Amino acid sequence: DSGVTQTPKHLITATGQRVTLRCSPRSGDLSVYWYQQSLDQGLQFLIQYYNGEERAKGNILERFSAQQFPDLHSELNLSSLELGDSALYFCASSAGPPGQGIAYEQYFGPGTRLTVT
Amino acid sequence: DQQVKQNSPSLSVQEGRISILNCDYTNSMFDYFLWYKKYPAEGPTFLISISSIKDKNEDGRFTVFLNKSAKHLSLHIVPSQPGDSAVYFCAASASVVGSNYQLIWGAGTKLIIKP
Repeated sequence: DSGVTQTPKHLITATGQRVTLRCSPRSGDLSVYWYQQSLDQGLQFLIQYYNGEERAKGNILERFSAQQFPDLHSELNLSSLELGDSALYFCASSAGPPGQGIAYEQYFGPGTRLTVT
Repeated sequence: DQQVKQNSPSLSVQEGRISILNCDYTNSMFDYFLWYKKYPAEGPTFLISISSIKDKNEDGRFTVFLNKSAKHLSLHIVPSQPGDSAVYFCAASASVVGSNYQLIWGAGTKLIIKP
């Protein structure tokens, strides 16, 4: 158990809909990362938050957005869903602050499997 | 532009033998490297890491070797066990201003341990 929790585990929805995925980082971790994994492909980095602020963006679509709340949990919002958005979405957290080697080590949640029909 | 490359999509090894997974990188600014293990439908699990000031780090059956001149690292698993069957990801990071300590990921190598 990594200490990172994600809800829900599974989500089935229709095209055009909007969903919200939730992540609670490990206790004490300040950074949260979101990744997408489609059909046994590699991990695609979407976005990073550190202590409530957006720190880095990867291959995140404009239809997707995220935020990190004062209690450090994070939500990933996916809107106008398309069939191609079906994937596993992982949240990871890491200790901070940046500047220490240990900040690199990310701990992953079990993921949310999104199916768009 | 793939900065971290795992050129072998899959690797099959006999149980009890050594498994060697390879990873190459192109960015000379990378100074921290990590290996993750991933089972199907689960999140990746941190396995072992190495800083660029070292050339070897060992943790039980797992050893990571870093060859900076060749921009190459490898993960050795000895002896290989059935539970090691998984996808292994190599990741790298650079502690430079503005990097945000992002991990750059390889595409993964699927390791199959044969009984």
